[in-house]
Amino acid sequence: GAGVSQSPSNKVTEKGKDVELRCDPISGHTALYWYRQRLGQGLEFLIYFQGNSAPDKSGLPSDRFSAERTGESVSTLTIQRTQQEDSAVYLCASSLGLAGAPTDTQYFGPGTRLTVL
Amino acid sequence: AQKVTQVQTEISVVEKEDVTLDCVYETRDTTYYLFWYKQPPSGELVFLIRRNSFDEQNEISGRYSWNFQKSTSSFNFTITASQVVDSAVYFCALRDSGTYKYIFGTGTRLKVLA
Repeated sequence: GAGVSQSPSNKVTEKGKDVELRCDPISGHTALYWYRQRLGQGLEFLIYFQGNSAPDKSGLPSDRFSAERTGESVSTLTIQRTQQEDSAVYLCASSLGLAGAPTDTQYFGPGTRLTVL
Repeated sequence: AQKVTQVQTEISVVEKEDVTLDCVYETRDTTYYLFWYKQPPSGELVFLIRRNSFDEQNEISGRYSWNFQKSTSSFNFTITASQVVDSAVYFCALRDSGTYKYIFGTGTRLKVLA
């Protein structure tokens, strides 16, 4: 597709359940980012993937959060044993991955709104 | 350390007024990149502009203009003759050369009233 896509767009779950959020980056983009945005707040970095390098997981808030990426394609963010505090919009972004290049720019997907009851 | 500050949490203007959104950044790197993103009520962040630290020329795109001043570490965004459709949250971001991390400000919510 032309842009970053995310699914589902909305997810309502019960406390304690596991959820999986999916991100399809722009074709050819080797870098992929996940962010969390709580209501009325800014973007909180979660995790970064670059090609086949080890991901930067420094932003994951707890061990209930994990993410995977297959090669340079789809990524899945998994939240286990969800808590109400996990309610937020989860945004995915991708970029060419040329970290030193002036042209590297993140493009965002529409996000997944997660509500934990 | 890198930091991006958007001191204006929320701004309200009446349609057709001009409005400036402030962005101040901190970095020790001499080469870096600055960005503005728009987040309309639909939620998707839309890329607006990228500026390189070695290019201080200001830019105009239609009703949008950006004023980059290294001397004051600022990268301000002006909307001329604002419209209701400009209502959104606007984020300023910084990326140092050689790194992949984008540092985002906390955003400025702009409300344009008809």
